Amino acid sequence: NAGVTQTPKFQVLKTGQSMTLQCAQDMNHNSMYWYRQDPGMGLRLIYYSASEGTTDKGEVPNGYNVSRLNKREFSLRLESAAPSQTSVYFCATTHGQIGTDTQYFGPGTRLTVL
Amino acid sequence: QKEVEQNSGPLSVPEGAIASLNCTYSDRGSQSFFWYRQYSGKSPELIMSIYSNGDKEDGRFTAQLNKASQYVSLLIRDSQPSDSATYLCAVDPNQAGTALIFGKGTTLSVSS
Repeated sequence: NAGVTQTPKFQVLKTGQSMTLQCAQDMNHNSMYWYRQDPGMGLRLIYYSASEGTTDKGEVPNGYNVSRLNKREFSLRLESAAPSQTSVYFCATTHGQIGTDTQYFGPGTRLTVL
Repeated sequence: QKEVEQNSGPLSVPEGAIASLNCTYSDRGSQSFFWYRQYSGKSPELIMSIYSNGDKEDGRFTAQLNKASQYVSLLIRDSQPSDSATYLCAVDPNQAGTALIFGKGTTLSVSS
């Protein structure tokens, strides 16, 4: 039982390059989330998905797109990376109703955009 | 804008002391409250959840909730150097279909 997994763990991009961050969970949870964490800024919600086939914007969605491929997988895409997107990205999941239940986090992806 | 406020710290306590971490929230209707611990370079992990006014104890950790005053706290008894981490408070948004609201965290340093 791996819980929540994220790939890659580390990534360095040049400005303008694109990439997709992958998240998968084997916890059979309904809701999935993408956060970014920057020093002094705390966790900021990028997008979330309450169930397969639905996605909603969070606090900082600009420059990102997401896909809820199935119940297990939720990907985050940067179409044209910018230095301001240098951050640590966390995927999280919730079993129960979104916003009321415990969130479980993946190990994170550390992204640097040069 | 719904907010969750925490003192960023650092909060420094000696080994064996009680560490007290506080969190205030803006929405009086919030019902679910969580404390997460995050070690440097790692992901947040749940320590405690609390839903009712009063105290909830789990080992050396006690969560305290006062909905009338809109604050939730975490006490760590017999603090250990291994408790040194950032502690994040999270509150439900009192709005169906939206995610938890996280504070920016308080950094705790326990010296031996």
